[in-house]
Amino acid sequence: QSALTQPASVSGSPGQSITISCTGSSSDIGRNDFVSWYQQRPDKAPKLIIFDVSKRPSGVSTRFSGSKSVNTASLTISDLHIEDEGFYFCSSFTSPRLFFGPGTEVFVL
Amino acid sequence: EAQLVESGGGLVQPGGSLRLSCTASGFNFRSYVMNWVRRAPGKGLEWVASISDRGGSALYGDAVQGRFTVSRDNFNLTLSLQMDSLRSDDTAVYYCAKGRRRELFLPDAFDIWGQGTTVTVSS
Repeated sequence: QSALTQPASVSGSPGQSITISCTGSSSDIGRNDFVSWYQQRPDKAPKLIIFDVSKRPSGVSTRFSGSKSVNTASLTISDLHIEDEGFYFCSSFTSPRLFFGPGTEVFVL
Repeated sequence: EAQLVESGGGLVQPGGSLRLSCTASGFNFRSYVMNWVRRAPGKGLEWVASISDRGGSALYGDAVQGRFTVSRDNFNLTLSLQMDSLRSDDTAVYYCAKGRRRELFLPDAFDIWGQGTTVTVSS
């Protein structure tokens, strides 16, 4: 059972910005900076878009940004595109366990 | 180009066993932590297991601890997951994923994923 919580869904119009929260506790998100975010489009494998709270892997759009405050991590998607639709999962690693959040479905209206 | 290809999924009865495999190419497999993650129908991602670069250490999620065993063959560039005592709630797409960090057993972020293999546990 996930120790992290995310909103079930978030929606926005093309060009807008949205923010997805990932709330944990002092035992996970608040304990270190091993927070990552993944995008999963329908029938596709997950894709790493943020690691170490705010770092982007090579090739990931600068429209994706991450941050953290105390026990809550956030993913912001700027200039929303149609292809941003899908599920977004946060994760937090505190040895010896890795937890994923339940996921947030993003709709681009 | 780095690539992971899973195989071995299928239909199995409750209580049965199944062995998944993942073949790697395009990166130095021997230097990275490797992982299994699953996604059950209608559910989110769930971490299953991680194994260190040389295979000497492994970690497991609570749901599979004691039933699943992760292993690797660094000569044949293959990751495996032996699944025993399978239950209906093990039904999921199983993904093989490469850890981002080199030569450090810190399975916190996974930067290369396979397309997944489907495991269905049902009578």
